Amino acid sequence: DIVLTQSPATLSVTPGESVSLSCRASQGISTSIHWYQQKSNESPRLLIKFASQSISGIPSRFSGSGSGTDFTLSINRVESEDFSVYYCQQSYSLPLTFGSGTKLEIK
Amino acid sequence: EVQLVESGGGLVQPGRSMKLSCAASGFTFSSFAMAWVRQAPTKGLEWVASISYDGGNTYYRDSVKGRFTISRDNAKSSLYLQMDSLRSEDTSTYYCAKDTVSFDYWGQGVMVTVSS
Repeated sequence: DIVLTQSPATLSVTPGESVSLSCRASQGISTSIHWYQQKSNESPRLLIKFASQSISGIPSRFSGSGSGTDFTLSINRVESEDFSVYYCQQSYSLPLTFGSGTKLEIK
Repeated sequence: EVQLVESGGGLVQPGRSMKLSCAASGFTFSSFAMAWVRQAPTKGLEWVASISYDGGNTYYRDSVKGRFTISRDNAKSSLYLQMDSLRSEDTSTYYCAKDTVSFDYWGQGVMVTVSS
């Protein structure tokens, strides 16, 4: 199984700061990585697909990069509504796997 | 507007069965693969099973293989998950998701609690 390691587990930031969340795969997965946001007591929401492809309706402050084993979700100037948990997911091979998540919290 | 609405959850005893349903609307259901993803209380996301657009191919994680069955009825725009021989570790919120390699739409989730 492909293991996705997200870091840090928790990131404390002030609104207005820009942040980068990391997702590292246990083997090369090309760009088969997708990012989700999950707010408390809500369903996950797709933010970025295939490492860097934007999703309709998602604010432009969210962007993704990376290929192979190292991937990054960047949020430019965090807003109050962005404080939630972020997950990466790989679709390179079965079983599909998710990272353990990064919680973005208010400092 | 895409909508996915799960139903059928609740409390069930270990070893018993339960069937989840997901009613889809707002897109051509018969053209897309679908999936079930679960989340144990306070834990992360875990893919459970996927099914191709026509139901011809199904895929499962090892821990549910032989116990869970994913199926669909394209005439009813509905997805199902038959869960047999349930275990305490199956206790989770189960989400139905539209599977376009990434999961681009999710239902609100339904809670399944396996406990005596």
